[in-house]
Amino acid sequence: AQSVTQPDIHITVSEGASLELRCNYSYGATPYLFWYVQSPGQGLQLLLKYFSGDTLVQGIKGFEAEFKRSQSSFNLRKPSVHWSDAAEYFCAVGGSGTYKYIFGTGTRLKVLA
Amino acid sequence: DTGVSQNPRHKITKRGQNVTFRCDPISEHNRLYWYRQTLGQGPEFLTYFQNEAQLEKSRLLSDRFSAERPKGSFSTLEIQRTEQGDSAMYLCASSLVASGLNTGELFFGEGSRLTVL
Repeated sequence: AQSVTQPDIHITVSEGASLELRCNYSYGATPYLFWYVQSPGQGLQLLLKYFSGDTLVQGIKGFEAEFKRSQSSFNLRKPSVHWSDAAEYFCAVGGSGTYKYIFGTGTRLKVLA
Repeated sequence: DTGVSQNPRHKITKRGQNVTFRCDPISEHNRLYWYRQTLGQGPEFLTYFQNEAQLEKSRLLSDRFSAERPKGSFSTLEIQRTEQGDSAMYLCASSLVASGLNTGELFFGEGSRLTVL
């Protein structure tokens, strides 16, 4: 079955601290992987995506993610969190030519001043 | 490029009433998607259009739901005889897919929040 698991529902970090949000997926074919961010009352904004090639991908706002096929993971990282990063983060998986993306349940990030 | 636009942003209705949401995608995008997001969950796929053709509907989309995309431009999602379980955020997204071109990125609108009393 195709699925995405984000094991952390809530994460709290202090401003300036590093961040890692976990994402594990199950997908029968070569996956396309995405991280989206959703601020309150806002739509989802794409942070970064992985299709192929270099397994470490850079995104907007200083985020990066690493694709590890052996672990079926696509964890999101940021070396120094800013207060404006407080939001909900969603990992999603799809495939080549797919129209249907499967989202995880999200991780809500709280940033302490 | 004004992005994906959805309206109304909020709708409160009584059980049994019909509601309609509208989505205006990014103008050059040929695919349009509807997702539903309930509290504490990620978005769930409902249906999608390639131009004006509705090519797949999720099992989540009961007979009370209907979506259209006349002329391959804007889309509407209608829910008939609303139930309290229909309360959710309805998200529209669009993308451009062409021969040799598929960035895979969905561009989402801000959503239409439905509350059924």
